Amino acid sequence: QKEVEQDPGPLSVPEGAIVSLNCTYSNSAFQYFMWYRQYSRKGPELLMYTYSSGNKEDGRFTAQVDKSSKYISLFIRDSQPSDSATYLCAMSGGGFKTIFGAGTRLFVKA
Amino acid sequence: GAVVSQHPSWVICKSGTSVKIECRSLDFQATTMFWYRQFPKQSLMLMATSNEGSKATYEQGVEKDKFLINHASLTLSTLTVTSAHPEDSSFYICSARNQGGETQYFGPGTRLLVL
Repeated sequence: QKEVEQDPGPLSVPEGAIVSLNCTYSNSAFQYFMWYRQYSRKGPELLMYTYSSGNKEDGRFTAQVDKSSKYISLFIRDSQPSDSATYLCAMSGGGFKTIFGAGTRLFVKA
Repeated sequence: GAVVSQHPSWVICKSGTSVKIECRSLDFQATTMFWYRQFPKQSLMLMATSNEGSKATYEQGVEKDKFLINHASLTLSTLTVTSAHPEDSSFYICSARNQGGETQYFGPGTRLLVL
């Protein structure tokens, strides 16, 4: 079993749609959960950072962590073409190295 | 937010030459820096972790004599690809983390093409 599973997509949605991106993980020791956005030929950019379980909202983005299910989500409301990118989940803590998901490619069509 | 720069952003070199890539944390002290490699449409592959003033820790399968890493200060780490060959062509990305932090901040990446 992989330490983190993330559907690579691609995920194609119309502009204005709500996007749901998810990752599952296996190590219950992880405590810190991140979402990065990576545009083509660029380095990843930190979008959201959450500690332990719960929700965190920042503008059109909402991150959810369910540690009991080892499941994290990123929701994007009112998606825009500029949101088209690859989204990587990441997690760390408990003395373990940061683990990155494979990334989900998102296309938002105008 | 935390800013990490990388230089150069792209480089083309002849086979057999060495290439140095710099990674700088501009507004925070990076006690730990990471070097990744990324192939097209693939995820990040961690190459090595470096702590300021210490030798880098390389991931399994990464040749330490091929990829020399120096982390001489709290704001600068360098990756030198020695005797580069076409198979070393890739996108190299660094990230930095401050002491006690769990979040990595990434540089914009360096695209290396070895002819």
